[in-house]
Amino acid sequence: GAVVSQHPSWVICKSGTSVKIECRSLDFQATTMFWYRQFPKQSLMLMATSNEGSKATYEQGVEKDKFLINHASLTLSTLTVTSAHPEDSSFYICSARDLGTAANYGYTFGSGTRLTVV
Amino acid sequence: AQSVAQPEDQVNVAEGNPLTVKCTYSVSGNPYLFWYVQYPNRGLQFLLKYITGDNLVKGSYGFEAEFNKSQTSFHLKKPSALVSDSALYFCAVRDTNTGNQFYFGTGTSLTVIP
Repeated sequence: GAVVSQHPSWVICKSGTSVKIECRSLDFQATTMFWYRQFPKQSLMLMATSNEGSKATYEQGVEKDKFLINHASLTLSTLTVTSAHPEDSSFYICSARDLGTAANYGYTFGSGTRLTVV
Repeated sequence: AQSVAQPEDQVNVAEGNPLTVKCTYSVSGNPYLFWYVQYPNRGLQFLLKYITGDNLVKGSYGFEAEFNKSQTSFHLKKPSALVSDSALYFCAVRDTNTGNQFYFGTGTSLTVIP
């Protein structure tokens, strides 16, 4: 079945540095990927929709200059948290749509990245 | 506006007893409804979905859910709970009118007591 690989699974960084998170579709091509953020004991909040070959679409309230999204190929989207601050510490999850997978109507989620900014 | 409500933050059930995790939704068009499970520090795993057809859908690990259009509900059920079912459960809806975006509930933490 469709697999989405997310890397790293966890990262600790210092305040002011940047962190890149990768989301790869391993056995399918994804023209669209989604980035979510999850705070402890809360639901997933959609941050942005990543579109291959074009600019990402950000949800209201999400700073596009802080959360840089690049979707340069049909199998890779990256989220870069720039100038990270402790309040950016969160669990980030990506999702991709495999049009060939009927099981979950095409959406597969990555395993998530736990970001801790110290 | 599209939304999903999971009225219970926490559900406790004894092992072997039936479990129910509640979900209600609000969409402008026809809903695609999903249940996902999340284990600590892990991503979401798909359990089941309702797109069309039979209102009772069966999914992974013995879970099932019933779509009730009049009550706009999609409750998750399992006849006999296992300790390993303890996890965080999310209900989600895709609104066919608005395209690809998922709307997630706030999640329900299920604890199965041995």
